[in-house]
Amino acid sequence: KQEVTQIPAALSVPEGENLVLNCSFTDSAIYNLQWFRQDPGKGLTSLLLIQSSQREQTSGRLNASLDKSSGRSTLYIAASQPGDSATYLCAVQGWRDDKIIFGKGTRLHILP
Amino acid sequence: EAGVTQFPSHSVIEKGQTVTLRCDPISGHDNLYWYRRVMGKEIKFLLHFVKESKQDESGMPNNRFLAERTGGTYSTLKVQPAELEDSGVYFCASSPLTPTSGGGNEQFFGPGTRLTVL
Repeated sequence: KQEVTQIPAALSVPEGENLVLNCSFTDSAIYNLQWFRQDPGKGLTSLLLIQSSQREQTSGRLNASLDKSSGRSTLYIAASQPGDSATYLCAVQGWRDDKIIFGKGTRLHILP
Repeated sequence: EAGVTQFPSHSVIEKGQTVTLRCDPISGHDNLYWYRRVMGKEIKFLLHFVKESKQDESGMPNNRFLAERTGGTYSTLKVQPAELEDSGVYFCASSPLTPTSGGGNEQFFGPGTRLTVL
């Protein structure tokens, strides 16, 4: 049974710092891994999707890596800004079925 | 192109009442999924439609939940009777039947319906 774990559960960093969010999953038979952002009271915004054959994806100040063999992914945020404050969710989609398994998320607070 | 839409955005009902949530997927998407997040827990899968057929309903919590997708377009999720533990955010997602190039079988999520059962 696939399980997704995100560490840390919450993180506060001063504005301008680079930071890394971690995600681990127990079953390496994944189709893709996705990072989402959720703002309070809002829906899910897809940030980056990494196919199982890929090692990383980049979008602006965000870079996500995937190491399928070790069951790990990281989301790197460069030069953090207060607007980056949100909950970041890691999610994997398996080959055996279409369902997405989510982690509990990391609540990120960027201090101005 | 319009994204996944959900209605209502927020619903407040009393225990024992019935509520129906609606999801309109992206036009042309045959796959439709329901997920929910209850307080303090991760978002969890409820069920998956392929067109009008239920492909996987292993995540449905109990028989108080009924999902339909008549005609293979929009879907409804009815909770009857609602209980306190049903409170949470219900998300709908859709994806095309076959993966698009470069995007895999990416699921596109709606804004969610926040359900509060008092």
